[in-house]
Amino acid sequence: TQLLEQSPQFLSIQEGENLTVYCNSSSVFSSLQWYRQEPGEGPVLLVTVVTGGEVKKLKRLTFQFGDARKDSSLHITAAQTGDTGLYLCAGASGGTSYGKLTFGQGTILTVHP
Amino acid sequence: KAGVTQTPRYLIKTRGQQVTLSCSPISGHRSVSWYQQTPGQGLQFLFEYFSETQRNKGNFPGRFSGRQFSNSRSEMNVSTLELGDSALYLCASSAYRAVSNEKLFFGSGTQLSVL
Repeated sequence: TQLLEQSPQFLSIQEGENLTVYCNSSSVFSSLQWYRQEPGEGPVLLVTVVTGGEVKKLKRLTFQFGDARKDSSLHITAAQTGDTGLYLCAGASGGTSYGKLTFGQGTILTVHP
Repeated sequence: KAGVTQTPRYLIKTRGQQVTLSCSPISGHRSVSWYQQTPGQGLQFLFEYFSETQRNKGNFPGRFSGRQFSNSRSEMNVSTLELGDSALYLCASSAYRAVSNEKLFFGSGTQLSVL
């Protein structure tokens, strides 16, 4: 069974601070995705990383895929109150794992003004 | 382009009843997946359909079933409801260009409460 361990589970910071969320596994994934979910809504895809060592930047968000494709991180620079939400990492196994993503437990981020 | 539409948004049922949830994928998407989200277990994969065929299934009891129609719309059914089935049920569609790069687009979900 593939598992993704996400940390920290909760993060409460002030506006303007930086933060990093980690996603670790003992399994190799063909791709790793990050989603953000707001209360009462479904997860929204932020980014997909496919290549080991890949780094992607989305404005103030930086995503990294580990060299061995077992771990990933999300770094937010100068957090804003609008960044508040549940952040989820999810791994795709490829092959015949159609539609199936293995999700981490999520990180609840609260950014205070 | 309209997103993934799930109906109804909220449902209240009692133990022993059955329930049917509906999902309309993004136009042109032929793959539909279903997930259960609970505070304790997070998001767990139920099953995936493509061209009316179930191609993948998670570790849920047989009380959970689904189907897909020729227009790619999908339904999932839960029979003999239990209290533990209370959850947010999410549907996601995918254009399925490459399994290794699976990108899922989620609906807003159906919040099911079993009393």
